[in-house]
Amino acid sequence: EAQVTQNPRYLITVTGKKLTVTCSQNMNHEYMSWYRQDPGLGLRQIYYSMNVEVTDKGDVPEGYKVSRKEKRNFPLILESPSPNQTSLYFCASSTGISDTQYFGPGTRLTVL
Amino acid sequence: DQQVKQNSPSLSVQEGRISILNCDYTNSMFDYFLWYKKYPAEGPTFLISISSIKDKNEDGRFTVFLNKSAKHLSLHIVPSQPGDSAVYFCAASAGDKIIFGKGTRLHILP
Repeated sequence: EAQVTQNPRYLITVTGKKLTVTCSQNMNHEYMSWYRQDPGLGLRQIYYSMNVEVTDKGDVPEGYKVSRKEKRNFPLILESPSPNQTSLYFCASSTGISDTQYFGPGTRLTVL
Repeated sequence: DQQVKQNSPSLSVQEGRISILNCDYTNSMFDYFLWYKKYPAEGPTFLISISSIKDKNEDGRFTVFLNKSAKHLSLHIVPSQPGDSAVYFCAASAGDKIIFGKGTRLHILP
């Protein structure tokens, strides 16, 4: 089954404790992206990757890092999480930017 | 500065009637537009898209209209069904960037 998986689905952590949210897709997609969804702000792109070892900043990259060492994986790293990073995070993949993006189920992160 | 605007946070429509969701954009470089639908506790799913070289695209009950001169697109759902109750996101892309609107919550009333 074609899918995008994210782990964990829910996470409560404290300020400053490094965390990683994993994202994996099994569709051999080149394009992968991370978004955050906040009330009243919609979906905002954090980082995206056009291919392995190619990443670029989206609209709200501050406080986040990503890596793309393999085509299928695109982890989101928060080196020192802060409460303003409490949000619902979605990973997505597609064959290209203008193609249908397949979204993961979301990761709800709470930073205390 | 919002490049993609969905000015109606919510919309209520009677079952069986037409639902019209609107989206405005400011960047004339956008060349591809998409609509996504999102249910609670799930990721968004693709609904329909349109290229800037077209002014209409239809898929079953869903039709997207693009008015480039007005920088406006709309999604028509007819007839509206209870399962259409969801949040709808408009998105626009240019080059390697994609921008989403804030979403419109559609309620289909029985």
